[in-house]
Amino acid sequence: DAGVIQSPRHEVTEMGQEVTLRCKPISGHDYLFWYRQTMMRGLELLIYFNNNVPIDDSGMPEDRFSAKMPNASFSTLKIQPSEPRDSAVYFCASSFSHEQYFGPGTRLTVT
Amino acid sequence: SQELEQSPQSLIVQEGKNLTINCTSSKTLYGLYWYKQKYGEGLIFLMMLQKGGEEKSHEKITAKLDEKKQQSSLHITASQPSHAGIYLCGADTTSGNTPLVFGKGTRLSVIA
Repeated sequence: DAGVIQSPRHEVTEMGQEVTLRCKPISGHDYLFWYRQTMMRGLELLIYFNNNVPIDDSGMPEDRFSAKMPNASFSTLKIQPSEPRDSAVYFCASSFSHEQYFGPGTRLTVT
Repeated sequence: SQELEQSPQSLIVQEGKNLTINCTSSKTLYGLYWYKQKYGEGLIFLMMLQKGGEEKSHEKITAKLDEKKQQSSLHITASQPSHAGIYLCGADTTSGNTPLVFGKGTRLSVIA
C-alpha cells in the first residue's frame, strides 16, 4: 500500500487566494483526520470523518476553512481566503482502529 | 480541554546513552499514543498504551503508562543516531479509539 497520500507537498500562495489541500487515505480505513502543525501551537486536530461523515469540526479555526470527504478515498481541506497566519504544515491521517497513519504533509506558506 | 505536557522540550544525548521523555495529561487518560516525526515528514506510530498501567517495548524503546499520575514515559536504551527526531505523545479525550490531542513534542538529537 502506498500509505496516506497528500498533495501538493508544498504550496506557496498570496494572501486572499483560495488553497485546496488533498488527501487520499489508506484503502479500508474508515477514519480520516486533518491536523495542522505549527511551532507555536504544535499539532492540532482540525476535523475528522468517520465513514465519510464529519464527526467533529470544532478545531476548524473559522469559516474560511472547510473540509469535505465525497467518498472513502478522497478528502479536501479548503482555505478561502487564505491569510499569512494559516502558514503551517497540514497533515492528513487515516485509521481503522487505534493506529493512525499519517501522510507526509503539505507545507503551506501564505505571503 | 485536555492538554498534554511533554518534557523535556529538547534533548541532546551522546550515542549509547539512555534517555527518558515524559508526557503528562491534565485529565484522565483513556489511551496514550507515542509517535516519532522526522523533519519534513509525517508521524510514525510507535506504541499505544491503554488505561491500566500498561508497559510495551519495541526494540530499544519502552513506554509505560502510570494512570494514577496521568503520565506516560518513553525510555530509549543505548540511543543511536537513528533515534533522532521529534517524539510526540497523543491521547484519547474520551473512551474512544482515536487520539485527538497531542503534546508539542520532544526534539531528540543523538551525537556521536
